[in-house]
Amino acid sequence: DAMVIQNPRYQVTQFGKPVTLSCSQTLNHNVMYWYQQKSSQAPKLLFHYYDKDFNNEADTPDNFQSRRPNTSFCFLDIRSPGLGDAAMYLCATSRDIGTGAMNTEAFFGQGTRLTVV
Amino acid sequence: AQSVTQPDIHITVSEGASLELRCNYSYGATPYLFWYVQSPGQGLQLLLKYFSGDTLVQGIKGFEAEFKRSQSSFNLRKPSVHWSDAAEYFCAVGAHSNDYKLSFGAGTTVTVRA
Repeated sequence: DAMVIQNPRYQVTQFGKPVTLSCSQTLNHNVMYWYQQKSSQAPKLLFHYYDKDFNNEADTPDNFQSRRPNTSFCFLDIRSPGLGDAAMYLCATSRDIGTGAMNTEAFFGQGTRLTVV
Repeated sequence: AQSVTQPDIHITVSEGASLELRCNYSYGATPYLFWYVQSPGQGLQLLLKYFSGDTLVQGIKGFEAEFKRSQSSFNLRKPSVHWSDAAEYFCAVGAHSNDYKLSFGAGTTVTVRA
């Protein structure tokens, strides 16, 4: 009974070829996050959705976009992947944001390992 | 802005021995504090969290952590390590100033030797 599901677990894409990573949740949480985690580094927040409102982190490259067509699904689009975009991409959810402890606890998926060739 | 420091990049411990992983944070007020574990090729699993109240918190898999305000620390401990505890451990902080979005430390890799 996985709660945050990422597909695929492993993705190989060609340099410059657009790629989409998928995340779904069964928790009915308002907030969905995308993190990038490069090898041996901490996860780095790219952006999050609060319901339909998109919030980009200041240093997230324009090459990264996201879509959230409904509460359950969120997609990460990389328009022109470069070698430096090879990483683990983690999706997470939380019930709310900025409203206190229990509502902001994050639940993570298993991640998608992206390889760029 | 808040930040998290995990001073130890890599720790090796014998099976059955005790383990302590250090975490220090920088934030003007008391943040929310978390420890996550990540096995190779996997996502993040929450071990435990501190929001308020009792400064010694118990988590899953026999882990505990103690919040020490005077030292701005939230160290993770386990009395007796099992081989399955070999993984990467991340300390994270959420603060009101950043809508409680998580900031992670760089992580500590734990190796367990037989």
